[in-house]
Amino acid sequence: AQSVTQLGSHVSVSEGALVLLRCNYSSSVPPYLFWYVQYPNQGLQLLLKYTTGATLVKGINGFEAEFKKSETSFHLTKPSAHMSDAAEYFCAVSGSGANSKLTFGKGITLSVRP
Amino acid sequence: DAGVIQSPRHEVTEMGQEVTLRCKPISGHDYLFWYRQTMMRGLELLIYFNNNVPIDDSGMPEDRFSAKMPNASFSTLKIQPSEPRDSAVYFCASSLSASPLHFGNGTRLTVT
Repeated sequence: AQSVTQLGSHVSVSEGALVLLRCNYSSSVPPYLFWYVQYPNQGLQLLLKYTTGATLVKGINGFEAEFKKSETSFHLTKPSAHMSDAAEYFCAVSGSGANSKLTFGKGITLSVRP
Repeated sequence: DAGVIQSPRHEVTEMGQEVTLRCKPISGHDYLFWYRQTMMRGLELLIYFNNNVPIDDSGMPEDRFSAKMPNASFSTLKIQPSEPRDSAVYFCASSLSASPLHFGNGTRLTVT
């Protein structure tokens, strides 16, 4: 069984500030971990993924995430927020292997203040 | 690549009516997923297919919901009869084996 916890539902940062969105997971097998972004009235788009290998993963739009097994975490960061980063962000986990069934967290809404 | 295509984008119907949502996955993808998104429950997996065969439908809420995938390029999600609590955004997604999911833009369903 797998689960994802995203604490809080809303994060607000100033433009240019650090973005940190937290994600903790639970998985009975080695996990694959994902961050997706959803802009209004659109589907989810993949930001980045961790499968195996390097624990620091870089994604699109300047985002990155670090897999920390000891903390069961996969937090998403970006050094400098841009207005266009305002969206909803979802962390997701799946088991390794061909079955790509994903379990999503509740999502976090990121607001960026000018 | 046109991506995952869902239709209609918006559907408004009255309680008791039948609703059919449609999805065309990305060509060549062998997995297809149906998700429902609501404010209260977030994203819920309803059912998924592998090579057109339903693998896990444990997320389908009730017998009023059914999904089919008659071929590799088309799937439907049907609700009969619809109820106001079915109001949500329904997403279809497809993937190639263990690759990440590609989502459609969703169908916003409103049942009055």
